[in-house]
Amino acid sequence: DVVLTQTPVSLLISLGGQASISCRSSQSLVHSNGNTYLHWYLQKPGQSPQLLIYQVSNRFSGIPDRFSGSGSGTDFTLKISRVEPEDLGVYYCLQRTHNPLTFGSGTKLEIK
Amino acid sequence: EVQLVESGGVLVQPGRSMKLSCAASGFTFSSFPMAWVRQAPTKGLEWVATISTSGGSTYYRDSVKGRFTISRDNAKSTLYLQMDSLRSEDTATYYCTTYEWWGQGVMVTVSS
Repeated sequence: DVVLTQTPVSLLISLGGQASISCRSSQSLVHSNGNTYLHWYLQKPGQSPQLLIYQVSNRFSGIPDRFSGSGSGTDFTLKISRVEPEDLGVYYCLQRTHNPLTFGSGTKLEIK
Repeated sequence: EVQLVESGGVLVQPGRSMKLSCAASGFTFSSFPMAWVRQAPTKGLEWVATISTSGGSTYYRDSVKGRFTISRDNAKSTLYLQMDSLRSEDTATYYCTTYEWWGQGVMVTVSS
């Protein structure tokens, strides 16, 4: 199975600051069709996960441009700029390139 | 507005069965692969199963293979998860998802 290693486990960021979360894969996430199926989700307290970024760097509908994704192959990053109170929660990466699908273990973002 | 509404969660004894349903609306259900993802209390997200748009292809994580069955009724815009031979480690909130959109989740507790 593909293992996604997320770091850090937790982040304490000031309002208006920047956060960076890493997701490293145990194998390449480039599909045979050339696409890379690495997505990012935010699970706010008491809520279902919500899609932020799909296929590495594409923002989902309604997601502000404060959120950006980058990376390739086995190394991916989610950046959140100008952190706002509603950004708190747990961030997960998900790979859909290989079966079984696997999630990272999560990064908890707290606001100072 | 996209809605995914799960139902069927309850307390069940180990070894018994349960069927979850997910009613979809606000999008063309038959055009989207669908999945179940679960989250044990205080834990991270775990993919359970995926079904193709037609229902002709299904995929499961190893720990549920042979015990869980994912299915769909495109005429009713409904996704199902038949869970047999339930174990205590199946205790979790189960989410129905297209990967873009998520339901609110339904709690399944397996305990004697």
